[in-house]
Amino acid sequence: QSALTQPASVSGSPGQSITISCTGTSSDVGGYNYVSWYQQHPGKAPKLMIYDVSNRPSGVSNRFSGSKSGNTASLTISGLQAEDEADYYCSSYTSSSTDVVFGGGTKLTVL
Amino acid sequence: EVQLVESGGGLVQPGGSLRLSCAASGFTFSSYWMHWVRQAPGKGLVWVSRINSDGSSTSYADSVKGRFTISRDNAKNTLYLQMNSLRAEDTAVYYCARVVVGATTRPGLGLRYWGQGTLVTVSS
Repeated sequence: QSALTQPASVSGSPGQSITISCTGTSSDVGGYNYVSWYQQHPGKAPKLMIYDVSNRPSGVSNRFSGSKSGNTASLTISGLQAEDEADYYCSSYTSSSTDVVFGGGTKLTVL
Repeated sequence: EVQLVESGGGLVQPGGSLRLSCAASGFTFSSYWMHWVRQAPGKGLVWVSRINSDGSSTSYADSVKGRFTISRDNAKNTLYLQMNSLRAEDTAVYYCARVVVGATTRPGLGLRYWGQGTLVTVSS
């Protein structure tokens, strides 16, 4: 199964907003509202930030928000902070023979 | 407090086998679907396998289908991944993860809790 497509890197200054895109197909992102986003700091386990396109688990800052249009999902981080610098991965349920497909990851740099 | 603790990783020769375990605590293990996700050194996350709450339904990535088997023992609150015919490209940190919501048969749920990972190295 092909990975979802994410930009390799994005950057922003503290206080700014950034958006990370995640492009799939009608068999995954476009077909279901089952997109999740994960944050991973170096050497750490991933952390769920968004599930079901736009739902935040308890404890996740409301500076993180998710949306979807067609085959592309997006993660927006507002009011960038230094601690947001990390790798971000999207994932989606897929109707292929497997269950889940991840994106290749996006490295966020806070300038 | 939800805890997931993986074990069983290590160095194995190509063609060999390993069984990973994931000990769960702090929640009703038998109510949650569980997943394995791996990450090769310096690379991204790759989904490996999923099992439903009672173990009656499983799913695998194409790259491991026929070689890996996911299972669970709800009496022991433990998730397993039996890995056979290992290849160099299976070298990775393997994470077990629990979905965000339990007591549901709905697929595609986000992975809310993750273990610390266990490193599997396949090399001669």
